[in-house]
Amino acid sequence: DQQVKQNSPSLSVQEGRISILNCDYTNSMFDYFLWYKKYPAEGPTFLISISSIKDKNEDGRFTVFLNKSAKHLSLHIVPSQPGDSAVYFCAASGGGSRLTFGEGTQLTVNP
Amino acid sequence: GAVVSQHPSWVICKSGTSVKIECRSLDFQATTMFWYRQFPKQSLMLMATSNEGSKATYEQGVEKDKFLINHASLTLSTLTVTSAHPEDSSFYICSASEAGVGEQFFGPGTRLTVL
Repeated sequence: DQQVKQNSPSLSVQEGRISILNCDYTNSMFDYFLWYKKYPAEGPTFLISISSIKDKNEDGRFTVFLNKSAKHLSLHIVPSQPGDSAVYFCAASGGGSRLTFGEGTQLTVNP
Repeated sequence: GAVVSQHPSWVICKSGTSVKIECRSLDFQATTMFWYRQFPKQSLMLMATSNEGSKATYEQGVEKDKFLINHASLTLSTLTVTSAHPEDSSFYICSASEAGVGEQFFGPGTRLTVL
C-alpha cells in the first residue's frame, strides 16, 4: 500500500522556468511533509518541509504548497537551474520520526 | 550542519558471505537511526528503526535474522547482511536523528552488489 505517491516519474523543464513536482498521500494521520533532493549514489538531502497547520512554506527559490483536503502537496522551484536536476522525493510523517517516502520524480532542467 | 557517514560506500561480495555496513553521526548524538533500502528508480523503503541501547524495530516483511542491526552507541549503528544473496543487492541508506529534533539526516548510502 503506497501511502505516498509521486505519479510523475520524470519532469523536464527549461532553465529559468518553473518546475512543479507533485505528491499525493492517503494517510490522514500524516501531519508533517518534507521534500528531499537526491543525486545518484548519494543519500537524500533535506530541501524544505511543511507542517499540516500551514498551507505554504517558502525558502528562496523553493515553495511547498499543502492542500490537506485534497491530500496533495507540491514543490515549486522558480527559477529552475540546471543544478536542480536530481531526483526529488516527498516524504510524510505522522506523530513521530518515521518517514514514508514517495517513489521520486527525476527533474531535468535543460540549459 | 549535521553529518552522517556510511562505510563502505561500495561493496562487492560473494553469495553466502556476510557484509557489515557502518553508519556514523559525526557531529551529533543520534538517539535514533533508520536503515533504508532503495531499488533502482524506486522509493526508499524503511527497513528498521533502531534506538541506542535497545533492539531494532523491523518493518513488516524485513527478516531480522538476515538484516542484523546494532546501535551500541550514540554515534554508530551497523547493518549486517548475513548470508547475502544476489537479491540483496541494493542501495542501503541510513539516517540519524537527534533526541528532540525531528529531522533525519541521511548518510551517502552504500551500494551492495552480491555476486
